[in-house]
Amino acid sequence: QVQLQESGPGLVKPSETLSLTCAVSGGSISSDYWSWIRQPAGRGLEWIGRTYISGSTNYNPSLKSRVTMSVDTSKNQFSLRLRTVTAADAAVYYCARGRSPHTSFDSWGQGTLVTVSS
Amino acid sequence: QSVLTQPPSVSGAPGQRVTISCTGNNFNIGAGYNVHWYQQVPGTAPKLLIYDDSSRPSGVPDRFSGSKSGTSASLAITGLQAEDEADYYCQSYDSSLSGSVFGTGTQVTVL
Repeated sequence: QVQLQESGPGLVKPSETLSLTCAVSGGSISSDYWSWIRQPAGRGLEWIGRTYISGSTNYNPSLKSRVTMSVDTSKNQFSLRLRTVTAADAAVYYCARGRSPHTSFDSWGQGTLVTVSS
Repeated sequence: QSVLTQPPSVSGAPGQRVTISCTGNNFNIGAGYNVHWYQQVPGTAPKLLIYDDSSRPSGVPDRFSGSKSGTSASLAITGLQAEDEADYYCQSYDSSLSGSVFGTGTQVTVL
C-alpha cells in the first residue's frame, strides 16, 4: 500500500513562495498521477493540480498563474510551489495519488498545515 | 467556487437511511465522468469511500452505496451508525477546467 507524507515550512510570509514536498513510499512515483489538494480551515476541499512522471501538469485555473509542480524520481517524491501567497492560501495541504487524470484519489498524505503570516 | 453542489448538512437517527446529493453539469457528471465519494472525520485526511460511481474499496462497509443519473450523483448510508458522523465530499473530473473538482461537502450528524 503506497504511503504519502507531506513536508515543508508551516509558516510562510505574505508575498513569498510556499514550497511543499510529498514523499512516496511503498510504490514507485514513476506511474500514476500525483496531486495537491488543500483545505482552508472550516472549509471544503480544493484541487490545486496534478503532475505526472512525463512532466505533464494540469493546474486549477484559479491558481494556474502561481503554481508549479514537479516530480523527482531519484527521491521518489513530488513537489508544489505556490508563489506570492496571501492569507487566502492558508490551509491544510494534502498530497494524493490518482491512477489516471479522471479517477479517484485512493491514497492521501496526512496533510500539513500552512499558515501565512508576517 | 465548487462546481459540484451538495447539501450543507443531513442528519438521521441510528439505523436510519440518509442520502447525500451531488449536483454538477454537462462538463462533469453529465458528461459521463465518474463520481467518487470521500469521508472525512475532522482533523484527518479524506478517505476514499466510493469510486467510479458505485464501487467500494476493500474494507468499506456495504452500508455505503453510490449511484449516478444525468448531472447528479448520490451517496446513501443505510443503517446509520454513530461512527458515520463526518463530512462527505463528492469528486469528479471537469472537462471545462481540465481537472478534478470537489463538491461543497456535507456534514452528516447522527442524532
